Amino acid sequence: EAGVAQSPRYKIIEKRQSVAFWCNPISGHATLYWYQQILGQGPKLLIQFQNNGVVDDSQLPKDRFSAERLKGVDSTLKIQPAKLEDSAVYLCASSLERGYTFGSGTRLTVV
Amino acid sequence: AQSVSQHNHHVILSEAASLELGCNYSYGGTVNLFWYVQYPGQHLQLLLKYFSGDPLVKGIKGFEAEFIKSKFSFNLRKPSVQWSDTAEYFCAVTLTGANNLFFGTGTRLTVIP
Repeated sequence: EAGVAQSPRYKIIEKRQSVAFWCNPISGHATLYWYQQILGQGPKLLIQFQNNGVVDDSQLPKDRFSAERLKGVDSTLKIQPAKLEDSAVYLCASSLERGYTFGSGTRLTVV
Repeated sequence: AQSVSQHNHHVILSEAASLELGCNYSYGGTVNLFWYVQYPGQHLQLLLKYFSGDPLVKGIKGFEAEFIKSKFSFNLRKPSVQWSDTAEYFCAVTLTGANNLFFGTGTRLTVIP
C-alpha cells in the first residue's frame, strides 16, 4: 500500500514568515496525527484528527499554529508567524485501529 | 506526570555485540507499548509492539522486547547487532482506549564494523 505522503521535504524560512505543510494519509485511515520532532527529542503530538474532527489539540500552540483536515482525508499544518524554536521535523502519521504509519516528515529550518 | 523514559541517549557497540535498550513508562493504567526505529534520513518504522498476551514480543530484524509490568519496563534486545542497525530507536506508549502515541526521547545506536 502507498505510505503517508508529506510535502515539502525541506523548508527554510525567516522568522516571522509563514509556512504550510501538507499530508496525505493512507487511504481509509480515519485518524491523522501531526507530530513535532525537535533535534535530539522524541516526536511530540501537536494535533490529532478523527476523520475531519479534532480529537486532541492540547499541545498545539494555537496563537501561531493551525491545522485542518478537509473532507477527512488530506491535512495541512500552518505556522504563522514562525519562530526560531519552531525549527524541527514535522511528522504526519495515520492510523487504523492500532496500526500507525508515519510519513518521512518535513524538516523546517527557521533562520 | 505521564512520561516515557529512555535512559541511554547514545550507545556505541561493535558488530556482533548484544544490545539492550531501556524503556520505562509512568502510566497508571493499561498500556500498549511500541518500539520504533528511524534510520538516517528515513521515516519511523515499527520494530515491534505489545498489546496483551505473551510479554516477550518478537519483532522484525531479530529484535525482541520484554514487557515487565512490575517494573513498568519494555526493554529492547538483540543478541547480535549489525552495522546496519545504526539508527535512532524510540520507545512509545499509548493508553488503552486512546490512540495518541507518547514517545521517549530516543536512543542513538552506533554500530562499529
